[in-house]
Amino acid sequence: AQKITQTQPGMFVQEKEAVTLDCTYDTSDQSYGLFWYKQPSSGEMIFLIYQGSYDEQNATEGRYSLNFQKARKSANLVISASQLGDSAMYFCAMREGFTTSYGKLTFGQGTILTVHP
Amino acid sequence: NAGVTQTPKFQVLKTGQSMTLQCAQDMNHNSMYWYRQDPGMGLRLIYYSASEGTTDKGEVPNGYNVSRLNKREFSLRLESAAPSQTSVYFCASSPRGEWVGTDTQYFGPGTRLTVL
Repeated sequence: AQKITQTQPGMFVQEKEAVTLDCTYDTSDQSYGLFWYKQPSSGEMIFLIYQGSYDEQNATEGRYSLNFQKARKSANLVISASQLGDSAMYFCAMREGFTTSYGKLTFGQGTILTVHP
Repeated sequence: NAGVTQTPKFQVLKTGQSMTLQCAQDMNHNSMYWYRQDPGMGLRLIYYSASEGTTDKGEVPNGYNVSRLNKREFSLRLESAAPSQTSVYFCASSPRGEWVGTDTQYFGPGTRLTVL
């Protein structure tokens, strides 16, 4: 079974609008972390935001926020006030707890976001 | 700080050739990782090194070997390249490795490898 599922292969948004990128995960661990990375066309992987399974508040980093719904096992990324430079591939990833290899990240298949002017 | 650096950026090999991908980090991180990225597959872990002197297999280790040369450097070797190893290879590092809060992984720029 997929551990990280990103169901939106591609998303479009108008500049200055908000957009939500979906991510659902599957784990039996109580302790885990959820990450979002951005991959622009240049290819590098840029860390955006992190949410721990025990964090009670949703994580925020500037224009990025993570809508964490633990019971539904979802960790959606919300980008507010989209900019043209936000056009990129976005990956959701999970690091599970003590039962798995140290630090191993499991990635979803990614969502390509295109921001229109 | 250069962060995580990888060499080469691009490489073309013939089937059966060998090569080593180099990775170095200057952030004094304990843990280092090698991933491959294939179209439609996301990133998959090949090998990782939780600390200097240790290495372990990840999800897709077959056809690869690694060496943690010192704390800074972690190399990935293809002994006999196959077309199925055509991919983009990323090296990453993280400060601690063990599951401690937000132990974020920082990635290098990637190596695009084509095996003919």
